[in-house]
Amino acid sequence: DAKTTQPNSMESNEEEPVHLPCNHSTISGTDYIHWYRQLPSQGPEYVIHGLTSNVNNRMASLAIAEDRKSSTLILHRATLRDAAVYYCILRETQKASGTYKYIFGTGTRLKVLA
Amino acid sequence: DTGVSQDPRHKITKRGQNVTFRCDPISEHNRLYWYRQTLGQGPEFLTYFQNEAQLEKSRLLSDRFSAERPKGSFSTLEIQRTEQGDSAMYLCASSLVVGTRAEAFFGQGTRLTVV
Repeated sequence: DAKTTQPNSMESNEEEPVHLPCNHSTISGTDYIHWYRQLPSQGPEYVIHGLTSNVNNRMASLAIAEDRKSSTLILHRATLRDAAVYYCILRETQKASGTYKYIFGTGTRLKVLA
Repeated sequence: DTGVSQDPRHKITKRGQNVTFRCDPISEHNRLYWYRQTLGQGPEFLTYFQNEAQLEKSRLLSDRFSAERPKGSFSTLEIQRTEQGDSAMYLCASSLVVGTRAEAFFGQGTRLTVV
């Protein structure tokens, strides 16, 4: 299973941008990069995903390095409600079946300071 | 549709007992996943269904664990002869592939405590 590496924790001030890094040096050409976050006592929640190009949605932006070995999740203005564990995940496609699964790492715990 | 539903939310059981959890995915989602999460760790993949077919099982899924999705809708995860090490949050997720979009939607989980 391909692995991702993230810092254990990060802090940000409220209403400032946050850049959450992720390394995935063993990524293969068909692996999508997904980000999920998990609030306390909740299941993980989808944030964003991409393959090669940078992506934007209403929650965040995803910047993917040209060699795809790393990516950065960008929260443009952190709020207290963004305090959560953020997981960078590689969605691995099984070559034989075309199916895929999500492999989580330990994630980055984001603390937002008021 | 209110999302992925899991029942029960909490379960306390004595060691050696059998337990069964249920997951109701989002309607029409053909893919269903089970994960296990222990404190301070990310979710660990257990197994995965495409409709009613169980396509992959993790090495974590010992012979005491069995999962079914009989009609391609809801799924059950049964743990036989529970052990204290089975204490964890059990998460279910479902997804539907549409083009390149295939995000998984997770339920709130079933927290199992084995005493």
